[in-house]
Amino acid sequence: DAGVIQSPRHEVTEMGQEVTLRCKPISGHDYLFWYRQTMMRGLELLIYFNNNVPIDDSGMPEDRFSAKMPNASFSTLKIQPSEPRDSAVYFCASSFQGLNQPQHFGDGTRLSIL
Amino acid sequence: TQLLEQSPQFLSIQEGENLTVYCNSSSVFSSLQWYRQEPGEGPVLLVTVVTGGEVKKLKRLTFQFGDARKDSSLHITAAQPGDTGLYLCAGWGNKLVFGAGTILRVKS
Repeated sequence: DAGVIQSPRHEVTEMGQEVTLRCKPISGHDYLFWYRQTMMRGLELLIYFNNNVPIDDSGMPEDRFSAKMPNASFSTLKIQPSEPRDSAVYFCASSFQGLNQPQHFGDGTRLSIL
Repeated sequence: TQLLEQSPQFLSIQEGENLTVYCNSSSVFSSLQWYRQEPGEGPVLLVTVVTGGEVKKLKRLTFQFGDARKDSSLHITAAQPGDTGLYLCAGWGNKLVFGAGTILRVKS
């Protein structure tokens, strides 16, 4: 079975540009999570969806960050405008039936803002 | 704010040694999970503990949830080079929080 698929794997762009990260969760999973991982702050939950509806976005750092889930098989995390401090590895994860259930992570997008 | 503190931050040991990684908090968690992450990949779930005092074993790995559900430990017996990686604990209180992780290196 295919796991969580993220694209792109690597993104390098200049500050001020718009960045869009993409995620395809595991089919049938009803929860989708976006995380950011840095050396300084570790793994942080940014936002999560249940049945395509955003439930908790309190981890989204600023208004420059936005996330959408137009259908059960696709989600995007957008940063506009991007800044060097947004450089990190961004992970998407999905799970089935409950917040306490195992989360399956993608391999992440390594984002570098110059 | 609920926080999970992991210790040690970094551990380098020889193959065959035993080790324990700790995950502590002043907050109560309804459940706690342990993940292992390898470079260039996402974390992979090892175990979920739910009941205070619970002990779970996964081959050479033993996980324990504290009686008060505020702390947990991961013990590895006879560590192998394949155990090398970043070990993360994560707890559900009013939201999901991750510890900073323990980097384990097992030398052959």
